[in-house]
Amino acid sequence: AQKVTQAQTEISVVEKEDVTLDCVYETRDTTYYLFWYKQPPSGELVFLIRRNSFDEQNEISGRYSWNFQKSTSSFNFTITASQVVDSAVYFCALSSNNAGNMLTFGGGTRLMVKP
Amino acid sequence: DGGITQSPKYLFRKEGQNVTLSCEQNLNHDAMYWYRQDPGQGLRLIYYSQIVNDFQKGDIAEGYSVSREKKESFPLTVTSAQKNPTAFYLCAARDTYNEKLFFGSGTQLSVL
Repeated sequence: AQKVTQAQTEISVVEKEDVTLDCVYETRDTTYYLFWYKQPPSGELVFLIRRNSFDEQNEISGRYSWNFQKSTSSFNFTITASQVVDSAVYFCALSSNNAGNMLTFGGGTRLMVKP
Repeated sequence: DGGITQSPKYLFRKEGQNVTLSCEQNLNHDAMYWYRQDPGQGLRLIYYSQIVNDFQKGDIAEGYSVSREKKESFPLTVTSAQKNPTAFYLCAARDTYNEKLFFGSGTQLSVL
């Protein structure tokens, strides 16, 4: 069985602060994919990143960065110099071929960035 | 515009009534999914379809039904057997090349 845990249900920061959203996953598969999605107030989930289990390189995209640590089964997401527009619910998710490529989502972290 | 179109955006159901949520895609993806989202919670899989004329139950399929007669369309029916249907419903299609899921903008279903 697969499981994704986002222990932080809600985070509140002031604009320009850095913030890290935690994600811990469980899977028995050796080949899997990890994802982060953003859900703004409009409701639609927006894809942010996909990582496969063989690539542990950290990734940076503008103010966003991701830290994949296989040893601790974590895939954390950091927003640098947060902005009000970053306010949303963020979901971490996991899929694997052996699980029929079904996406298993974490419970989400609601991020509120205050001006 | 390309993507996933869900309609209606808001839907109200009377007790004992079946209602159908529409999901259409023009991305030409084979796999489509229905998720349910309750307030403050993650997404739970209701049904999925890997190919036309085939679909499988997800984790919470009871009280729901689907059909997949065309590649572009994957409607979800919330039947009267679903006793707690109030939730936000999201439809998605999967790009099998990069495993990305593309989501619609959702339907908020409420019970009158």
